Amino acid sequence: DSGVTQTPKHLITATGQRVTLRCSPRSGDLSVYWYQQSLDQGLQFLIQYYNGEERAKGNILERFSAQQFPDLHSELNLSSLELGDSALYFCASSVAPQSGELFFGEGSRLTVL
Amino acid sequence: GESVGLHLPTLSVQEGDNSIINCAYSNSASDYFIWYKQESGKGPQFIIDIRSNMDKRQGQRVTVLLNKTVKHLSLQIAATQPGDSAVYFCAENTNAGKSTFGDGTTLTVKP
Repeated sequence: DSGVTQTPKHLITATGQRVTLRCSPRSGDLSVYWYQQSLDQGLQFLIQYYNGEERAKGNILERFSAQQFPDLHSELNLSSLELGDSALYFCASSVAPQSGELFFGEGSRLTVL
Repeated sequence: GESVGLHLPTLSVQEGDNSIINCAYSNSASDYFIWYKQESGKGPQFIIDIRSNMDKRQGQRVTVLLNKTVKHLSLQIAATQPGDSAVYFCAENTNAGKSTFGDGTTLTVKP
């Protein structure tokens, strides 16, 4: 158990809809990262937050947004969903913004029909 | 026996043999590298790391080698066991903190 909690574990929705994925980092970790993993693909970095502020941005679509709240949990919002958005979405946390070792949650599997 | 070579998306080894998984990284400014193991249905887990001022680091049954000249990283697993079957990712970090993951190698251990 990494200490990172993600909900929901599974989510099935239709094209055009909007979903919110939630992440609680490890106790004491200030940095949260979001990654997308499509079928048989590697991990694509989406976005990083540190202590409530956006710190780094990857290949995140404009239809996607995220935030980190004062209690350090984070949410990833995916809107106007397309079939190609079906993937595993992982949240990871680390103590510091430059800490390389990431602790990953179990992921949220999103299926868009 | 061992398997060595360029990055391969899959690697199959016999139980008890040594495994070598390779990774080429792209950013010369990367100064910290990590190997992660991802088992089916789970998130990636840290295995071992190495900083750019080192060329070798050993853990329990695992060794990471770093060749900065050719921007190449390898993970060696000694006496591979069925529980080692997973997808292995290398990740490179710059001092900006963002981890960039490689494509991953699926290791299958045959009994």
